Amino acid sequence: QSALTQPHSVSGSPGQSVTVSCTGTGSDVGGYNYVSWYQQHPGKAPKLMIYDVTERPSGVPDRFSGSKSGNTASLTISGLQAEDEADYYCCSYGDTSYVFGTGTKVTVL
Amino acid sequence: EVQLLESGGGLVQPGGSLRLSCAASGFGFSSYAMNWVRQAPGKGLEWISLISASGGTTYYIDSVKGRFTISRDNSKNTLYLQMNSLRADDTAVYYCARKSGSFFYYFDYWGQGTLVPVSS
Repeated sequence: QSALTQPHSVSGSPGQSVTVSCTGTGSDVGGYNYVSWYQQHPGKAPKLMIYDVTERPSGVPDRFSGSKSGNTASLTISGLQAEDEADYYCCSYGDTSYVFGTGTKVTVL
Repeated sequence: EVQLLESGGGLVQPGGSLRLSCAASGFGFSSYAMNWVRQAPGKGLEWISLISASGGTTYYIDSVKGRFTISRDNSKNTLYLQMNSLRADDTAVYYCARKSGSFFYYFDYWGQGTLVPVSS
């Protein structure tokens, strides 16, 4: 499977909203409601932020939300905060395997 | 508290072998499928393998099939990755990650990773 396509970078000022897209195919993103999102700060392990397209684990701020339309999933961060600056990866299940996105660096200006 | 602790990384020559371990604690290890995910330096995440809770079912990404073997010892709460015929492009930080549950398809806990540089 090929990596899911994400923008290389997005940026926003504190308090603004940013959206990260994640485009796959009908065999992964479009075929299953099993898209998850992970936040990774430099030198750290990934952290689960969203699962099953829209669900947020306990402890994750509600400014993080997810959605999906067709073969494209999206992560939106509303009310951007300094600590949200990190790399973000989408991931989709796809018939006995998993595929991650190319990763997006979110910069807080 | 759920904890995953990888070990076994280190410099290895091309063509060499290495076995990674992931010691799990804080949860019923034998009830969860486990995964290995790697990240080459400065690159993105790449899922490479999954093993079912019982160990009876395994899956691999094509690029490691026939070279890597995932296994587990539920009596020792430990996950393994045997890596043979290593290549330079296997250089990465290797993470173990827990799959959340039988009917879920995401990774809820991750270890801190172990670095495997493949170089002569």
